[in-house]
Amino acid sequence: DTEVTQTPKHLVMGMTNKKSLKCEQHMGHRAMYWYKQKAKKPPELMFVYSYEKLSINESVPSRFSPECPNSSLLNLHLHALQPEDSALYLCASSQVLLTSGTDTQYFGPGTRLTVL
Amino acid sequence: ELKVEQNPLFLSMQEGKNYTIYCNYSTTSDRLYWYRQDPGKSLESLFVLLSNGAVKQEGRLMASLDTKARLSTLHITAAVHDLSATYFCAVALTGTASKLTFGTGTRLQVTL
Repeated sequence: DTEVTQTPKHLVMGMTNKKSLKCEQHMGHRAMYWYKQKAKKPPELMFVYSYEKLSINESVPSRFSPECPNSSLLNLHLHALQPEDSALYLCASSQVLLTSGTDTQYFGPGTRLTVL
Repeated sequence: ELKVEQNPLFLSMQEGKNYTIYCNYSTTSDRLYWYRQDPGKSLESLFVLLSNGAVKQEGRLMASLDTKARLSTLHITAAVHDLSATYFCAVALTGTASKLTFGTGTRLQVTL
């Protein structure tokens, strides 16, 4: 099973709302990632978790708050977002931090977020 | 700062033709990846290239890596409509294996 699942598929929220995105994998991967992708642009790395600890934060605004409750689950908590935060949010996982062999990142289907 | 550029950005080609997508990156890298993304969908891993001279092939796609030139190519042989998608290369800086920087993407359209 090489599947990463994300919920919800679509999310519309106002600028004062609080919502969460969820990502799950059951491949035994110990590294998980959040990316943001605007239309017709490449994905941009936001956060990396390794063994449930935050490893990389790419200077993401604090209105985005990641959480890794266990090795299979990754959340992204959203609060007071701006319309420019509307994008496709992709979760990915990998065996470890891509240091061995042909390990690669497996991406979920994404959550399309619209901020009104 | 690592920069990754692809060209062309958009490619329209006829079925049966061959073409190459280029990926240039600015600093030394541990590894290079190619991904495919269909419209509105997620990214699918195609190839991982780890060393100078590496060549990988899957069906009509062949990827190669020249670390000295900091260049990777994705060659399409006898294109078919099903290959229409956006193709991204992604590079990991030496020592920061988990941090991928994606190229600008090449949108490939294969016409009948």
